[in-house]
Amino acid sequence: DTEVTQTPKHLVMGMTNKKSLKCEQHMGHRAMYWYKQKAKKPPELMFVYSYEKLSINESVPSRFSPECPNSSLLNLHLHALQPEDSALYLCASSLAGTGTEQYFGPGTRLTVT
Amino acid sequence: LAKTTQPISMDSYEGQEVNITCSHNNIATNDYITWYQQFPSQGPRFIIQGYKTKVTNEVASLFIPADRKSSTLSLPRVSLSDTAVYYCLVGDVNNAGNMLTFGGGTRLMVKP
Repeated sequence: DTEVTQTPKHLVMGMTNKKSLKCEQHMGHRAMYWYKQKAKKPPELMFVYSYEKLSINESVPSRFSPECPNSSLLNLHLHALQPEDSALYLCASSLAGTGTEQYFGPGTRLTVT
Repeated sequence: LAKTTQPISMDSYEGQEVNITCSHNNIATNDYITWYQQFPSQGPRFIIQGYKTKVTNEVASLFIPADRKSSTLSLPRVSLSDTAVYYCLVGDVNNAGNMLTFGGGTRLMVKP
């Protein structure tokens, strides 16, 4: 199984809502990532869990909160988002070894109204 | 962190070989070079990874000179379905707090 799954595919939420994005992989990878991608821009790394230890991109606002319940699951909790947070949110995983060979999920298209 | 520079766009025709070059002048000793392909509204797809010299797989080749300050992705005999954005990524998941940074990407347009 070389697949990273993400749910939901699409999400529309108001600025006062709380929602969560979910990601799952069963490749035995020990590193998992959240990226944000705006239209016609490259993916921007938000968070990394490597062996369930978190590394944070310091520019990511606190209204985004990651969680890694176990080595196969990754959540991104969303609260009080702004319209400019509307984007494609991508999850990826990799072997926590060397290099940058990552496997990406299809993404969640988030719209904040 | 290694910063990468790629051409913004390229055009090609079906059946031609396409070479996309990425510059990464401050690549670190432990960094690898990885290329991804992305179609609209999909996640990037891993194409190929290398450390030095040449790497080839069933879809592409990656050429890396001895100084490792650049790399070239070679796509043989492209088809219309190769129209996509191609990203170069340089780094190592174990370094720099894993704050990997994608380059701006190269939009490849393959014409009939």
